[in-house]
Amino acid sequence: AQTVTQSQPEMSVQEAETVTLSCTYDTSESNYYLFWYKQPPSRQMILVIRQEAYKQQNATENRFSVNFQKAAKSFSLKISDSQLGDTAMYFCAFMKPRNRDDKIIFGKGTRLHILP
Amino acid sequence: EPEVTQTPSHQVTQMGQEVILRCVPISNHLYFYWYRQILGQKVEFLVSFYNNEISEKSEIFDDQFSVERPDGSNFTLKIRSTKLEDSAMYFCASSRTGPNSPLHFGNGTRLTVT
Repeated sequence: AQTVTQSQPEMSVQEAETVTLSCTYDTSESNYYLFWYKQPPSRQMILVIRQEAYKQQNATENRFSVNFQKAAKSFSLKISDSQLGDTAMYFCAFMKPRNRDDKIIFGKGTRLHILP
Repeated sequence: EPEVTQTPSHQVTQMGQEVILRCVPISNHLYFYWYRQILGQKVEFLVSFYNNEISEKSEIFDDQFSVERPDGSNFTLKIRSTKLEDSAMYFCASSRTGPNSPLHFGNGTRLTVT
């Protein structure tokens, strides 16, 4: 069974600093998808970034980038020039790309506080 | 940009009552999901739905739960006899082509069972 582990329950950084959230996962699959979702205090789930395991290039979306280490089964999220609006819970998630097993497995989340 | 909409945003019900949580997925999406998040805990998969039938369900999704797409636009989650431990945020999500396309989540319905 797949598992997703986020070892940092809570983090705080000063505004404008760079922060890295860690995520490891366990799977025997060779092809899969990894995601980072953001859940601000409004409770909505927002897709931040998505990585396909067969792509070696790390995904990037503006200030958000990932460090995907497939052999180590590691998928960390880096937020550059952090902003107050980045304060949220961040969930790492895993999905197998098969029609008969299409659920997303989430980690327990990391609560990120951006301090003014 | 099209959105997944959920109603109500907050539902309070008494233990043992039936509740129906409503979702309107994005109109050209074909795959639909329910997730729940007990306060402060991880997001858990409940059920996925495609072609008018359940494609997968978790162990949480027991006989107390059912889903329906009654009219081609709404996607509902029914909880037949609510328990205190059903109190949670319930998120509906949809995707265009299933596992290979991103999930779009609604804003959630907070269910409080008293």
